Amino acid sequence: DGGITQSPKYLFRKEGQNVTLSCEQNLNHDAMYWYRQDPGQGLRLIYYSQIVNDFQKGDIAEGYSVSREKKESFPLTVTSAQKNPTAFYLCASSPMGMSNQPQHFGDGTRLSIL
Amino acid sequence: GQQVMQIPQYQHVQEGEDFTTYCNSSTTLSNIQWYKQRPGGHPVFLIQLVKSGEVKKQKRLTFQFGEAKKNSSLHITATQTTDVGTYFCAGYSTLTFGKGTMLLVSP
Repeated sequence: DGGITQSPKYLFRKEGQNVTLSCEQNLNHDAMYWYRQDPGQGLRLIYYSQIVNDFQKGDIAEGYSVSREKKESFPLTVTSAQKNPTAFYLCASSPMGMSNQPQHFGDGTRLSIL
Repeated sequence: GQQVMQIPQYQHVQEGEDFTTYCNSSTTLSNIQWYKQRPGGHPVFLIQLVKSGEVKKQKRLTFQFGEAKKNSSLHITATQTTDVGTYFCAGYSTLTFGKGTMLLVSP
């Protein structure tokens, strides 16, 4: 079955701690995205990558970092600089980046502060 | 930058009533996509509109793209409880999602 796998489903962070959210896809898609969703809000773009070893900041990149060393993987690190990290994080992919192709989403990771 | 506004934010209907959500962009869009997110789930792609004035139907759902390619609508005829969820539009010139319309349907 092709799809996007996000892990863990729930994650708790202590103050001052960095945490990394995993996103893996086996759809052979070139582009991958990270979104943050807060209650009553839409999806806000954190980072996106259109090709391996390249990524661009989205609208709310401050306090986050990413890497794209492999086509299948696009991990997101929530750093201690992100002062309000509690949110639902969604990873998505599409065959090509920033184009007219639909995005496929993972099941998301809910991050909370302890 | 590009802004995509979606209204209403929330709507509660009785089963069988119709429902419409509207999406308006501050800039001309190259295309617009619609997604549905069930409670506790992730967004799922519904449809994409590309042409000015385009209308597409999926069973009870009708999607329209405005002539100026700056607005779009999703209309559901005779809602069912399975229609419950949040409907998002996503406009492409840059990649921007609306805040979504949450639909609640009472039996």
